[in-house]
Amino acid sequence: GAGVSQSPRYKVAKRGQDVALRCDPISGHVSLFWYQQALGQGPEFLTYFQNEAQLDKSGLPSDRFFAERPEGSVSTLKIQRTQQEDSAVYLCASSPPFQPLGSYNEQFFGPGTRLTVL
Amino acid sequence: KQEVTQIPAALSVPEGENLVLNCSFTDSAIYNLQWFRQDPGKGLTSLLLIQSSQREQTSGRLNASLDKSSGRSTLYIAASQPGDSATYLCAVHNNAGNMLTFGGGTRLMVKP
Repeated sequence: GAGVSQSPRYKVAKRGQDVALRCDPISGHVSLFWYQQALGQGPEFLTYFQNEAQLDKSGLPSDRFFAERPEGSVSTLKIQRTQQEDSAVYLCASSPPFQPLGSYNEQFFGPGTRLTVL
Repeated sequence: KQEVTQIPAALSVPEGENLVLNCSFTDSAIYNLQWFRQDPGKGLTSLLLIQSSQREQTSGRLNASLDKSSGRSTLYIAASQPGDSATYLCAVHNNAGNMLTFGGGTRLMVKP
């Protein structure tokens, strides 16, 4: 596909359930980012991969959140024992290999997964 | 820690007006700044990206300016249309290749 895709688009979970959210980045994009967007707020950074290496996970709110990108392409964000405060839209973005000049560091976003925890 | 603020939080204007959305950031050591549009229930669409060495970028009716030293950016929308109604988000890169720090967004409604 031409853009970043995410699945599922909508997920309803009962409190305490585990969920897995998938992101397919644009082909050839080295960097992959996960963001969490609460209702009415801007997205907040969760974690960042360069290829298969997770270089920054400082935004993950608790140890219930885990992300992986084992082959440097598709990424999965897993949330264990979901809580109501986890309800949000989870956005994935990818960007090409870093370039020192020009607009190649632009991040391209997927449509997001809206998670509702009951 | 970088903080990004957008003012106003919401704006309603009649069709045809020119308008300005404001974005401010606390750490001026940014690499670049992006403006995004977000429609309800949708992801983010990139509108303009300004490198730290640039002062402005233009695309159609949109013009974004950057004053890095004062920590400010503006998005100017000319001759607004109802189809411009959306949330506009400003985001900054502090380090090349790393995450974006977003503002809270400005919800724009353009009335016919």
